[in-house]
Amino acid sequence: GIQVEQSPPDLILQEGANSTLRCNFSDSVNNLQWFHQNPWGQLINLFYIPSGTKQNGRLSATTVATERYSLLYISSSQTTDSGVYFCAVEPGGGNKLTFGTGTQLKVEL
Amino acid sequence: EPEVTQTPSHQVTQMGQEVILRCVPISNHLYFYWYRQILGQKVEFLVSFYNNEISEKSEIFDDQFSVERPDGSNFTLKIRSTKLEDSAMYFCASRVPGQPTRDYGYTFGSGTRLTVV
Repeated sequence: GIQVEQSPPDLILQEGANSTLRCNFSDSVNNLQWFHQNPWGQLINLFYIPSGTKQNGRLSATTVATERYSLLYISSSQTTDSGVYFCAVEPGGGNKLTFGTGTQLKVEL
Repeated sequence: EPEVTQTPSHQVTQMGQEVILRCVPISNHLYFYWYRQILGQKVEFLVSFYNNEISEKSEIFDDQFSVERPDGSNFTLKIRSTKLEDSAMYFCASRVPGQPTRDYGYTFGSGTRLTVV
């Protein structure tokens, strides 16, 4: 099946710093989503982004489908950004999401 | 914004007991899913359901598990004879079929945290 790798696995930031999270995948995809898992365990959908660039406030994401990677940018990080960020992909011809192992982000004051 | 609703949010059960996890997908969605996340691990696919039947299942989804859409709104996951290793967060998800102009991806519920003691 498709492989999804995320980096870095862990990240500690000072409040106000910027960061870039990366997701590499091993095959062509129909669908790519970024999720934030909050401390209560809920999966919050951040972006549906199989290709191109999107922005939502301090967050933005870019997927380069031809090169099989996606980036999630967090600017001016806040403590509420802490949690685990997952990338999930649906391969071409598939009908389920495969999740990466996540990036654990901690934002400190 | 439409939501996928899961109940209960937390369930504690004794080993060997049966549990039913409930989900109400978004009303116009056609594909339904269950995923599982063991504490500290990634989210894993269990099963997909379309047109009142299972369309795909993972190796995890053995005879202990079953899914059902008993009416037009609910989607349930039943675990018979629970084991300690079934302790996990269970997520329900739904989606419409992929259409470039209408596809917003998968929508996940808030999860049910199952603890088997």
